Amino acid sequence: GEDVEQSLFLSVREGDSSVINCTYTDSSSTYLYWYKQEPGAGLQLLTYIFSNMDMKQDQRLTVLLNKKDKHLSLRIADTQTGDSAIYFCAESYRDDKIIFGKGTRLHILP
Amino acid sequence: DVKVTQSSRYLVKRTGEKVFLECVQDMDHENMFWYRQDPGLGLRLIYFSYDVKMKEKGDIPEGYSVSREKKERFSLILESASTNQTSMYLCASSYQTASNSPLHFGNGTRLTVT
Repeated sequence: GEDVEQSLFLSVREGDSSVINCTYTDSSSTYLYWYKQEPGAGLQLLTYIFSNMDMKQDQRLTVLLNKKDKHLSLRIADTQTGDSAIYFCAESYRDDKIIFGKGTRLHILP
Repeated sequence: DVKVTQSSRYLVKRTGEKVFLECVQDMDHENMFWYRQDPGLGLRLIYFSYDVKMKEKGDIPEGYSVSREKKERFSLILESASTNQTSMYLCASSYQTASNSPLHFGNGTRLTVT
């Protein structure tokens, strides 16, 4: 069945770039999303990419999609303390399913 | 901006109580969802609704029911709360189907069943 995998933790120094990776198993996805969850809050939509694109840039955020390898990444440039959160990758499918990864906790080092 | 409002941030209930979790969205979205989030298990879909009075089971519907009497409101009901239903509950809505529009989430309700 469909599955979305992410590493659980990432530590990055303030000011460096963070790269959060995600792999998925099913190639029939329509959209791929990145959500951010701050402590005690719900999930906030950060950005998304249509499955026929390979890159999307939005200010400090860059999303890269490699369909051949079924790999999605989120790059955050100039990481700040406010970027500390859990980041979820999610995939939607033509049968209206949406599958979430288990989330990557981003920790910012001073 | 889409606003999805969950009526309570924190709830403490006793085992066996009937519990109502309320969710309201203000963007005239057709679709609404209830998830629960647990450490190590990620988000799991409980129920969703594509229209008023419509409901569909998600991946873990057992022990839950839902109600969608009005388009903007989607309620999750725990008929007889149990300790294994202690969790963070997240409501979401989307304009179209999940295949072509993103989900917008509320801030969550942390439910503790004692």
